[in-house]
Amino acid sequence: DAMVIQNPRYQVTQFGKPVTLSCSQTLNHNVMYWYQQKSSQAPKLLFHYYDKDFNNEADTPDNFQSRRPNTSFCFLDIRSPGLGDAAMYLCATSRDEGGTGETQYFGPGTRLLVL
Amino acid sequence: SQQGEEDPQALSIQEGENATMNCSYKTSINNLQWYRQNSGRGLVHLILIRSNEREKHSGRLRVTLDTSKKSSSLLITASRAADTASYFCAPQGSGYSTLTFGKGTMLLVSP
Repeated sequence: DAMVIQNPRYQVTQFGKPVTLSCSQTLNHNVMYWYQQKSSQAPKLLFHYYDKDFNNEADTPDNFQSRRPNTSFCFLDIRSPGLGDAAMYLCATSRDEGGTGETQYFGPGTRLLVL
Repeated sequence: SQQGEEDPQALSIQEGENATMNCSYKTSINNLQWYRQNSGRGLVHLILIRSNEREKHSGRLRVTLDTSKKSSSLLITASRAADTASYFCAPQGSGYSTLTFGKGTMLLVSP
């Protein structure tokens, strides 16, 4: 089945130790998104790619970066995780950019724990 | 992008009852989407309603949109325990626009 896959489902890292979360998609969608969701809060968009064009949200900390080497894969890099970065990280895709009514397809998320 | 605000924050009902949750937003939209999130999982798209539509149905879901009041409602009929989840609305403006989610409505359906 076509889908959005996130690995791993759970990631434990140490304070200050760089960590990379992975997302892949078999939908061949142009747009890939990364959201951060803390407990009982709304998913917060960090950045997204339209094809190779990177779009950073204004309030996304510099500690968070992303790479999209090809259509199928997108990575979230946290350079120096702090305790406040512990959260669920959600990857999503859409065929095109919004406005006309593009559905987003989400992966199951990676829960990051920072020790 | 603009953010929707869901109401109530939490809703607890018995199986078989109907559940209604509301969404308000501030500026004009092109469409509005509803998503569901089961605990610890990703979001799942439920339904999209366009600004020129007033009502839309999908199975046990009924969504209404009142652009004059800048509000939408999601009705789940004959609720089941499996409907227990958080529900988010995402209003979307015209042109390029990402989605901004509110805090959602947490629905608990008890057997």
